[in-house]
Amino acid sequence: AQSVTQLDSQVPVFEEAPVELRCNYSSSVSVYLFWYVQYPNQGLQLLLKYLSGSTLVKGINGFEAEFNKSQTSFHLRKPSVHISDTAEYFCAVSDKGGSEKLVFGKGTKLTVNP
Amino acid sequence: ETGVTQTPRHLVMGMTNKKSLKCEQHLGHNAMYWYKQSAKKPLELMFVYSLEERVENNSVPSRFSPECPNSSHLFLHLHTLQPEDSALYLCASSQDLVDSYGYTFGSGTRLTVV
Repeated sequence: AQSVTQLDSQVPVFEEAPVELRCNYSSSVSVYLFWYVQYPNQGLQLLLKYLSGSTLVKGINGFEAEFNKSQTSFHLRKPSVHISDTAEYFCAVSDKGGSEKLVFGKGTKLTVNP
Repeated sequence: ETGVTQTPRHLVMGMTNKKSLKCEQHLGHNAMYWYKQSAKKPLELMFVYSLEERVENNSVPSRFSPECPNSSHLFLHLHTLQPEDSALYLCASSQDLVDSYGYTFGSGTRLTVV
């Protein structure tokens, strides 16, 4: 079975600073990887996903993530954050071609301060 | 508009009440899910339906009763709830149980049990 670890529960940064939200996963098979964002009092919205091919994936709102198979990581990055990026971010993994559903990490609360 | 609509957005109910949460999707998806999101806790998968059949019930108390009358609608019937059941209840759907496109979430129902 897969599992996801988001190493930081909270990440405070200043506006226009770069940010990296860390995600590590464990799985015995090939996986699909996802990042979701949740704004206050909203559901989860897909930010980006890795299915195959290029290990650098670009998503909405200027975010990108890099799949590193050897380190079993899928860290999310943005070179310059805005106040509006304040939200909770969830990493998720699912088993490619199997019957496993999406497994979510515990989330990282990103707070962007002026 | 996320494609998955949840009603009501907010619900306050007493411990002896009976209420229902509704989820609707017209994305042509075959799988639907109920999640519970409590403060400072990870997302908890409650129920999974595939082609209107329940395929997973994650040790959820019987005071929560799901119903999937067709592939577009999912309900969560609530009765004799406890204050610790107060949470954001999220509905999601996906094309199939293993879906490379990820899940589409609704905006959730904020439930408060008094």
